[in-house]
Amino acid sequence: AQSVAQPEDQVNVAEGNPLTVKCTYSVSGNPYLFWYVQYPNRGLQFLLKYITGDNLVKGSYGFEAEFNKSQTSFHLKKPSALVSDSALYFCAVRDGNTPLVFGKGTRLSVIA
Amino acid sequence: GAGVSQSPSNKVTEKGKDVELRCDPISGHTALYWYRQSLGQGLEFLIYFQGNSAPDKSGLPSDRFSAERTGGSVSTLTIQRTQQEDSAVYLCASSLRQLSYEQYFGPGTRLTVT
Repeated sequence: AQSVAQPEDQVNVAEGNPLTVKCTYSVSGNPYLFWYVQYPNRGLQFLLKYITGDNLVKGSYGFEAEFNKSQTSFHLKKPSALVSDSALYFCAVRDGNTPLVFGKGTRLSVIA
Repeated sequence: GAGVSQSPSNKVTEKGKDVELRCDPISGHTALYWYRQSLGQGLEFLIYFQGNSAPDKSGLPSDRFSAERTGGSVSTLTIQRTQQEDSAVYLCASSLRQLSYEQYFGPGTRLTVT
């Protein structure tokens, strides 16, 4: 069965600095990987996905993620953080026809 | 266009009562998913529908939970004899089809069992 780990419950970063939110996964087949963001009192919003192709995936709001097969990781990155990026971030994986499995989430706090 | 909508947005109920949570998916989306989000627990998959059929009910936590979907559109998640541990945010999502990559989420229903 597939699983996702987000090892950090909380990430703090100063505005303007680069940010990384970590995600590792485990699947038996080829992974389909996703990042979602949840703002306070809102539903989840899709940020980006990796299905196949280039290991560096670009998504919404200037975010990108790098698929690393050997390390089974899919870390979310942004070169310069904004205060408005403060939210809860979820990594998710699916394997073929299976439903998405989500990590427990990482709360990102960007400090002005 | 309209996104996924859920009602009610908040529900407070007494232990032992039944509750119904409603999800209206994006028009034309054939796949619909229910998740539960508890504090500090991430998202827990409950059930998904392809059309009106539910191929995977493995995530339903107990037989007090049931869900149906009619007309390939609206879905209702029913919790019978609610318990305090059922308190959570219940999220619904839809996708164009079951193998679609992006799921679109509703704002959720916050259920509080007192």
